[in-house]
This record gives sequence, structure tokens and C-alpha cells, in this order.
Amino acid sequence: QQKVQQSPESLTVSEGAMASLNCTFSDGTSNNFRWYRQHSAKGLEVLVSIFSDGEKEEGRFTAHLNRANLHVSLHIREPQPSDSAVYLCAVRTSGGNYKPTFGKGTSLVVHP
Amino acid sequence: NSKVIQTPRYLVKGQGQKAKMRCIPEKGHPVVFWYQQNKNNEFKFLINFQNQEVLQQIDMTEKRFSAECPSNSPCSLEIQSSEAGDSALYLCASSLYPEEQYFGPGTRLTVL
Repeated sequence: QQKVQQSPESLTVSEGAMASLNCTFSDGTSNNFRWYRQHSAKGLEVLVSIFSDGEKEEGRFTAHLNRANLHVSLHIREPQPSDSAVYLCAVRTSGGNYKPTFGKGTSLVVHP
Repeated sequence: NSKVIQTPRYLVKGQGQKAKMRCIPEKGHPVVFWYQQNKNNEFKFLINFQNQEVLQQIDMTEKRFSAECPSNSPCSLEIQSSEAGDSALYLCASSLYPEEQYFGPGTRLTVL
């Protein structure tokens, strides 16, 4: 069964400093990776999806995937206080009836 | 962003009471998911549908939980006899393609 772990559990950065979040997964056949942001127990906002090794950028958010290392990361360039939220990693394998496995999230606080 | 609608946003019930929440997926999305997110940010998949048919559901769902997605009506998730441990954020998501999943804002259930 897929296991998805995120680190760190919480992260505090200053406004403008790069924020880096990590996600490891256990199933090497995983082929669909998505980062979400969740403000104060609200719905999930899609940030970036990535399907192949390498890098994918969406605005200030960049995902890096290395499937050999079972690792996907999210980098937030020039974070702002409004980026303070929980960031969730979701990993899906093919044939999973559309159903991804979520990590427990990283709580990010951005100080002005 | 997401156009998934969930109602109500907040629901308070006593133990043993019935709790019902609704979800309108994005137009044209045939696949609907229900997740339970607890206070530790852990996501628990409950059930998913493709059109009106159940694709997968967990054992918990088969006992006190029931869900349906009738044609031309909102999808619903109902807990027959609420327990304190059911207090959580219930998230509905819809999907057109396997790679994508769009979430609603959730229904926050509190069981007193």
C-alpha cells in the first residue's frame, strides 16, 4: 500500500526567502504527483501537477520529481504571508481508480 | 479554480443523530470522491463514484455511512448515527481525467 510522507511537519520562513517542502512515496510505479495548498481547513487549491522526472513551474511554485529516489519537492519562490497554509502532497499510481494518496501536510508560516 | 460546491459549510450534530452533506461536482465531471480529513490533516478516502456507480469504498463507509450520486441531483454523504470520532472536514472532489481532482471547500462536521 502506498505510503506518502511529508517533511518537515512545519516550516517558518521570512517573506522573500525560498521555502522548500519535501514528499517521499513508497510505490515506484507512481506516475501522478500534485501539490495542493489548504488555508485554514478550507478546500484544496491546486498548485502544480507533475507527471515525469524533472521540473515543473507554475508561477512562484516549482515541483521537482525524482522517481528513482521516490521523492517530489515543492519550492516556493518569494513567499508571502498569504502563502501561510498547509501544503499537501498527493501521489497516484496508474490504475488506482483515480484515487491518490495524501501526505499529512507541511504547515508553512511566512513572516513579514 | 475549483467549481465544486459543498453544502452546508458547517454542520453540528449530537451523537446518534443523522448527518447529511451534499456536493455538486463541476459540470461534466463524471467521477466524484468523498474524503474525511481529521484534525491531524490525515486524509481518509471514503468512496468514489463514476456517474452513479460506486467505484470503490472502504469498510467504514459500508456500515454507518451511505453515499449516492443520482443523476441530475447533488451527490450526498450521510452518516446514519453520528459518533464523536466522525467530527472532521468532509471534502468532496470531482474529476474529468484521472490526473485531475478538484476539491470543494468542505463540510465541517462537529459531533457533540
